[in-house]
Amino acid sequence: IQMTQSPSSLSASLGDRVTITCRASQVIRNDLGWYQQKPGKAPRLLIYAASNLQSGVPSRFSGSGSGTDFTLTISSLQPEDFATYYCLHPDSYPPRFGQGTKLEIK
Amino acid sequence: EEQLVESGGGVVRPGGSLRLSCAASGFNFHDYGMSWVRQVPGKGLEWVSGITWNGGSTGYADSVQGRFTISRDNARNLLYLQMNSLRGEDTALYHCARRKDYGGHYYYDPWGQGTLVTVS
Repeated sequence: IQMTQSPSSLSASLGDRVTITCRASQVIRNDLGWYQQKPGKAPRLLIYAASNLQSGVPSRFSGSGSGTDFTLTISSLQPEDFATYYCLHPDSYPPRFGQGTKLEIK
Repeated sequence: EEQLVESGGGVVRPGGSLRLSCAASGFNFHDYGMSWVRQVPGKGLEWVSGITWNGGSTGYADSVQGRFTISRDNARNLLYLQMNSLRGEDTALYHCARRKDYGGHYYYDPWGQGTLVTVS
């Protein structure tokens, strides 16, 4: 199973609503997570099982989708949200990450 | 606080060996499967290897199969990755991560910040 993320990079302004997509090459039900990674830091789990918000993650983050197409939405960008985002299908062997989406300040 | 701290990275010649360690704290290490995930600087994430809670089952990416060995010491809360026959393409930041059950779905959380391996 391959995971294809788009876009690979994205420029946006504070307060914008942004959407990142992840497409699986086969149906994966809702077995998809989203991670945020800031430079020099460990990845942080934001969303699990496609739409479940990890404890402590701000509610402006949301996930949706099922089957092959998934989205991560940030409803109103904050300064701390500029980072790289990865999707992950954990239940394949090997587990598959998307290529990443770098979110930059416009 | 649940925490993972990697160590053991460094510069090694092609064909050489290195052993990475990951020290766990703040949770019951022996209850969880663990994995190593690597990241080429400026690039994406690649799963390398995983191990079950008791070490009874292990798995490897094709790219490292036969060269890398994952193991754990539950008495000392340590995870290891023995890397042999290293190649230039193994150069990366190596993270350890806990595999946690979220209602039947297993995700990696938390992660360590990583230890850098340079093969040159």
